[in-house]
Amino acid sequence: GESVGLHLPTLSVQEGDNSIINCAYSNSASDYFIWYKQESGKGPQFIIDIRSNMDKRQGQRVTVLLNKTVKHLSLQIAATQPGDSAVYFCAVTTGANSKLTFGKGITLSVRP
Amino acid sequence: GAVVSQHPSRVICKSGTSVKIECRSLDFQATTMFWYRQFPKKSLMLMATSNEGSKATYEQGVEKDKFLINHASLTLSTLTVTSAHPEDSSFYICSARGVGRKLFFGSGTQLSVL
Repeated sequence: GESVGLHLPTLSVQEGDNSIINCAYSNSASDYFIWYKQESGKGPQFIIDIRSNMDKRQGQRVTVLLNKTVKHLSLQIAATQPGDSAVYFCAVTTGANSKLTFGKGITLSVRP
Repeated sequence: GAVVSQHPSRVICKSGTSVKIECRSLDFQATTMFWYRQFPKKSLMLMATSNEGSKATYEQGVEKDKFLINHASLTLSTLTVTSAHPEDSSFYICSARGVGRKLFFGSGTQLSVL
């Protein structure tokens, strides 16, 4: 089966610095990957996704990198802001109709 | 992006009562919706997959008679927690698949059973 893990449970960064959140997955057949942000008491909010035929995708202040060789996914947040403080989850899926498997979540704290 | 509306956001009920949670896709049709449960400081655990016009598919260990799911239309799925007990207290979240393979989530329902 699929297992998804996040390397560290918490990450503290200085406001304005770049943040990097990492995720490892186990199923080499996984072909779609999503990063979500969850604020306290709210549902997960879509940040960015990437398909397995890509190794990098950029959004507004965020970049997702995919290394299929080592089954590793990362989320980079540029110029981290206090509003970025939240729990971040990676999620992976295999096949168009399959369910998402979520990682454990990492708490990002931004120091002023 | 696509909007998923979930109600209520918070509910407190007495032990033994039933609680219904609604999940609506507001600007798109969703043949498939998902129901998750989340404990404090934990990840999301998939409970069941809700399919429009057919029976829900439950994950292993989830009691289908306790967590009733109805997906009567392409924009509405409901989760009913029957005969709720304190151990059912949790944060319940629904999601719906939009265009492509993106999943969009509702805002969640915090259930507290006294």
